[in-house]
Amino acid sequence: DAGVTQSPTHLIKTRGQQVTLRCSPISGHKSVSWYQQVLGQGPQFIFQYYEKEERGRGNFPDRFSARQFPNYSSELNVNALLLGDSALYLCASSLGAGEGGYGYTFGSGTRLTVV
Amino acid sequence: RKEVEQDPGPFNVPEGATVAFNCTYSNSASQSFFWYRQDCRKEPKLLMSVYSSGNEDGRFTAQLNRASQYISLLIRDSKLSDSATYLCVVNPGSARQLTFGSGTQLTVLP
Repeated sequence: DAGVTQSPTHLIKTRGQQVTLRCSPISGHKSVSWYQQVLGQGPQFIFQYYEKEERGRGNFPDRFSARQFPNYSSELNVNALLLGDSALYLCASSLGAGEGGYGYTFGSGTRLTVV
Repeated sequence: RKEVEQDPGPFNVPEGATVAFNCTYSNSASQSFFWYRQDCRKEPKLLMSVYSSGNEDGRFTAQLNRASQYISLLIRDSKLSDSATYLCVVNPGSARQLTFGSGTQLTVLP
């Protein structure tokens, strides 16, 4: 069975540009969460979606947005990129809305570099 | 104050050593606690959940002290393959997101 798949694996963008990151959860999983991991830090929560509805939002600016599609895949969009947005973006998949870490499986991430 | 605090290390230990990591959390309403392992440039993977009664999985033992808001991880008989960053993770109450510490880097030396 395929795990959580994220695309692209690596991306280089220029300041001010916009980027879209994609995530496909494990088959049968209905919840997707997005995390940002800056080098040397732990992942920080950005969004959680369950059944196509936003269920949680972290302390990130409005430049960050996301959505979940009927097939439960998800996109994370970041507008007006800043150098500080350079990070590993992780997608976590779970069967339900989830309670904490139970059943959370992370994808291998998208490494975004803003220059 | 960070919600989850860990000693960043690095911890450099010889093979076969016992090593302990500690973590403190600030939200007393936190409900769930975990240790994740993250290899270099890879995604975090759940190592084990942490319970007040303490729990053990092979060479790994985790402990939670709710009164002190303190979590620990003990690794016995360290292997080279244990080299990684260990992330202390807390579910802060009714919210479903995870709050991660910054991680403790472990290198096991031959």
